[in-house]
Amino acid sequence: GESVGLHLPTLSVQEGDNSIINCAYSNSASDYFIWYKQESGKGPQFIIDIRSNMDKRQGQRVTVLLNKTVKHLSLQIAATQPGDSAVYFCAERGSQGNLIFGKGTKLSVKP
Amino acid sequence: EPEVTQTPSHQVTQMGQEVILRCVPISNHLYFYWYRQILGQKVEFLVSFYNNEISEKSEIFDDQFSVERPDGSNFTLKIRSTKLEDSAMYFCANPGHITDPDTQYFGPGTRLTVL
Repeated sequence: GESVGLHLPTLSVQEGDNSIINCAYSNSASDYFIWYKQESGKGPQFIIDIRSNMDKRQGQRVTVLLNKTVKHLSLQIAATQPGDSAVYFCAERGSQGNLIFGKGTKLSVKP
Repeated sequence: EPEVTQTPSHQVTQMGQEVILRCVPISNHLYFYWYRQILGQKVEFLVSFYNNEISEKSEIFDDQFSVERPDGSNFTLKIRSTKLEDSAMYFCANPGHITDPDTQYFGPGTRLTVL
């Protein structure tokens, strides 16, 4: 079936370091993936997305890598800042067009 | 980032009561989605709405749920007889670009508490 999951529930990094958040998916036919940031009490905020015809996509301080061979997705945040502290969700587009979310990784940035 | 708005921000209700959650999506878009997130858990798909009709729905979206577009712009999610387990954050979402239905932008959510 379709499922998206995250390897680590929590990640703690030092301010200024790079962060890497990982995600595994099970549906090899998935063609669209997206990362969201969710701060406490707020809705998911779009960070970056990637289609299956790409291996890498870069945004401002963020990079998403897609490895279709092992069905793995990662989000890299460069020079992590305290404002990056949040829960990060990966999601894939399901067969119905909806998004299927993973369980989330909580990123904590230590000053 | 395109903005989706939702009201109310917090709704408290008694079990068995009806609630209506409202959303103002990004304008001029045909796709629309409702999701929910039980506290501490992942976001779950409820229903999608396309061109004024329900397109797809999940197992969660049973007969107690309904979606409407009462005035051509706002969307509502109605729960007819709330249960304790309906307590969650409810998010509406829709694409920001009419030519790209994949990138969904979420509203701030309505926190529903059923007592």
